[in-house]
Parts: sequence; C-alpha cells; structure tokens
Amino acid sequence: GAVVSQHPSRVICKSGTSVKIECRSLDFQATTMFWYRQFPKKSLMLMATSNEGSKATYEQGVEKDKFLINHASLTLSTLTVTSAHPEDSSFYICSASAPGGPPLHFGNGTRLTVT
Amino acid sequence: DAKTTQPPSMDCAEGRAANLPCNHSTISGNEYVYWYRQIHSQGPQYIIHGLKNNETNEMASLIITEDRKSSTLILPHATLRDTAVYYCIVRAVTGTASKLTFGTGTRLQVTL
Repeated sequence: GAVVSQHPSRVICKSGTSVKIECRSLDFQATTMFWYRQFPKKSLMLMATSNEGSKATYEQGVEKDKFLINHASLTLSTLTVTSAHPEDSSFYICSASAPGGPPLHFGNGTRLTVT
Repeated sequence: DAKTTQPPSMDCAEGRAANLPCNHSTISGNEYVYWYRQIHSQGPQYIIHGLKNNETNEMASLIITEDRKSSTLILPHATLRDTAVYYCIVRAVTGTASKLTFGTGTRLQVTL
C-alpha cells in the first residue's frame, strides 16, 4: 500500500538553529501534502498544506516565516523549523493522499526537541 | 466539516470486541466517516471509512446508523496491540487530496 516516509524520526537541536524535516511519498506521487503538529497528550493540529510547485497554505496562527515549507517534487516535501526555540519542541507529522482519493496516509512523525 | 463527539476513553478486555462510538449529528449528505488510530509516538493509521453503508475490512467493521448521525467502529477481537487513540473524522471529499481535522479521539486501553 501507499507509504509515506519521514526523516529524521528524532532530532535534538539547540535554540537558534534550524531543523529540516523531510516527507517522502515512496510509491506514489503527491501534489499535496499536509503538515501536522502534536503536543503531548493532545490531538493533531494542521499547520499547513504543501502544494507541489507553489506556495504552501498555512493555517491561522502558524508563522510561515518560521515554518518554511518546500514541495519541490511530487514525492518530497520539507518542513524547516527556523531559529528553533524550546516551545517548538513537538511531534511533527506529514501526510499525503495517494491517487484515487482518500484516505490520507501518514508518516511516522518526527520528534523535535529544542534545548 | 461536521463536528464529531467521542468518549475520551474506553477499556476492553483482550479477545473481546471493542465498540467505539462516534456522534456526528450535523453530518452532511456528501460527508464520509473516517476512522484512524494513533499508537503512541507514531503517525495516525487509516482503519476504515464509509458513507452510508456498513463497511468491513481486515482491521475492523464500521456501522453507520440509517440517519447517519452516529457510527460505531468495531474491533472484533481486540488485542493489546490495539491500544491506541481512535479518531472519528467526518469530511467531504473535494478533489484528490483534502485535509483531515482531528478531534480529541477515544483512548482505547486493551487489558489482559
């Protein structure tokens, strides 16, 4: 079945540095990918919709200059957390829809810890 | 998208059926019911979805009431590995990819 791969699964970085998270659709092409964020014991919150070849669409309250999204190919979207702070520590999850419509397939997430 | 209501938590003995309810009284005619689950520290996993007919696959069964205002996800023989948060999501299909909005879900604990 359709597989979405995320890398890295865990990352620890220092405050002020930037971190890039990759999301790949392994056996299908995805013109649209979605990035979610999840705090401990909370539900997933949609951050942005990543569109191949065009600008991402951000949800209200999500800073586009802080969370840079690039969707340069039909199989890869990246999320870069710029100038990370401890409050950015969270579980980041991407998802994509395989051709033929729903359902969305999710990556296994990236746990970011900012020290 | 229609809002869903789920109990925050449920327990189930291993080997027994787990019946997880979901209310979606404001569902529209073109909205599907989706179920996902999230095992700790993993991404959500698709389980099943349906429009108005009952559905069954290798993982679960989905029972949707005739008025479509509620549904029940059934795991016929729960195992410890089914311990997870289960999300019921209602969404219309628009185009090839549409975002999913997650509620708080039901935390299912399967016990020995």
